Amino acid sequence: AQSVTQPDIHITVSEGASLELRCNYSYGATPYLFWYVQSPGQGLQLLLKYFSGDTLVQGIKGFEAEFKRSQSSFNLRKPSVHWSDAAEYFCAVGATGGAQKLVFGQGTRLTINP
Amino acid sequence: GAVVSQHPSRVICKSGTSVKIECRSLDFQATTMFWYRQFPKKSLMLMATSNEGSKATYEQGVEKDKFLINHASLTLSTLTVTSAHPEDSSFYICSAPPPTNTEAFFGQGTRLTVV
Repeated sequence: AQSVTQPDIHITVSEGASLELRCNYSYGATPYLFWYVQSPGQGLQLLLKYFSGDTLVQGIKGFEAEFKRSQSSFNLRKPSVHWSDAAEYFCAVGATGGAQKLVFGQGTRLTINP
Repeated sequence: GAVVSQHPSRVICKSGTSVKIECRSLDFQATTMFWYRQFPKKSLMLMATSNEGSKATYEQGVEKDKFLINHASLTLSTLTVTSAHPEDSSFYICSAPPPTNTEAFFGQGTRLTVV
């Protein structure tokens, strides 16, 4: 069965510092991978996605992620965080291929110190 | 981008009553929609797949008689929590992938509180 693991439940970084959120997946075929962000009490906003091609994908708000098949990872990065980046971040894999049924990781809560 | 609208955003109901949550795709047709449940400080768990014109497909452990799903049109799916109890209190989110199947658009979520 497909699964997604986000090892870090909570991360705190200082504003302006770099950020990396980890994501490992388990999926038999070529995965469809996503990163979503959720503000408190809100729905999910797509940051970026990977289906195929270039393994380094660029997203919105200055985020990027790198797909590494050998490590089954899809880590999210940002070179310099802003206070507005504080939120919950979810990594997900398309369970049936594509963006149909998504299997989510546990989420990583990001706190930004001023 | 495509928009999925979910209504209501918040609802408080008495124990034993039923609550209906709507999920609409505003600018594309969705033959399939998905309903997720999110417990506090937890991840999203898929509850069921809503299929236009046919029965919903429920994930293991989800009570189909408690969580009634109807996909009446290509732009509307509804989730009805029947005979709600306090343990049904949660954040419910719907999603709909457009025909391109390249991403899933999520509704704003519904905070259900059963008192």
